[in-house]
Amino acid sequence: GAGVSQSPRYKVAKRGQDVALRCDPISGHVSLFWYQQALGQGPEFLTYFQNEAQLDKSGLPSDRFFAERPEGSVSTLKIQRTQQEDSAVYLCASSSVFPGEQYFGPGTRLTVT
Amino acid sequence: KNQVEQSPQSLIILEGKNCTLQCNYTVSPFSNLRWYKQDTGRGPVSLTIMTFSENTKSNGRYTATLDADTKQSSLHITASQLSDSASYICVVSAWRVDYKLSFGAGTTVTVRA
Repeated sequence: GAGVSQSPRYKVAKRGQDVALRCDPISGHVSLFWYQQALGQGPEFLTYFQNEAQLDKSGLPSDRFFAERPEGSVSTLKIQRTQQEDSAVYLCASSSVFPGEQYFGPGTRLTVT
Repeated sequence: KNQVEQSPQSLIILEGKNCTLQCNYTVSPFSNLRWYKQDTGRGPVSLTIMTFSENTKSNGRYTATLDADTKQSSLHITASQLSDSASYICVVSAWRVDYKLSFGAGTTVTVRA
């Protein structure tokens, strides 16, 4: 079946703009995770959903970052008033059970100019 | 401070040769350790996962070892192929929050013909 998909794959934003990154998990996967991967670094945990409930958002770097998963399927990571330090690859992962094996999408590369 | 350290940062090997990657971690209390392969522009893909009681785990030409006492792990690649060129990331989870993966920065392996 289809894996985790993310869109857009690449996003260029001017400093101060708002962006929205989309994640479509594997169908039926109840858990969804967002990670931020800076250039040359491993991914860092941002937030976690089980169905529509956001159970852990301890990794979100500031209140400019907001994630939602209103119907327990597709998730959106929104970044308000983007800054240059937000430039990174944003990875989404999903799993069928908790905690379970996490299956990663290809990521969205965000560049803030 | 990163709780997962990997070495070397990068290495180049000739096709058909073997190599070993190292991972040291301080994540505690330990739950499990995974090795992921990440191709350029793609999300990480799990190779192996080991819990406290497991010393070694194989997946084809990939063999991972774990010494939970010294908090060290290694990934051995046998008879390397060009398709093994990728970043290999060591990922450790802590007990009770094992959904929150702690990633190393990765070792970039380049296999040359």
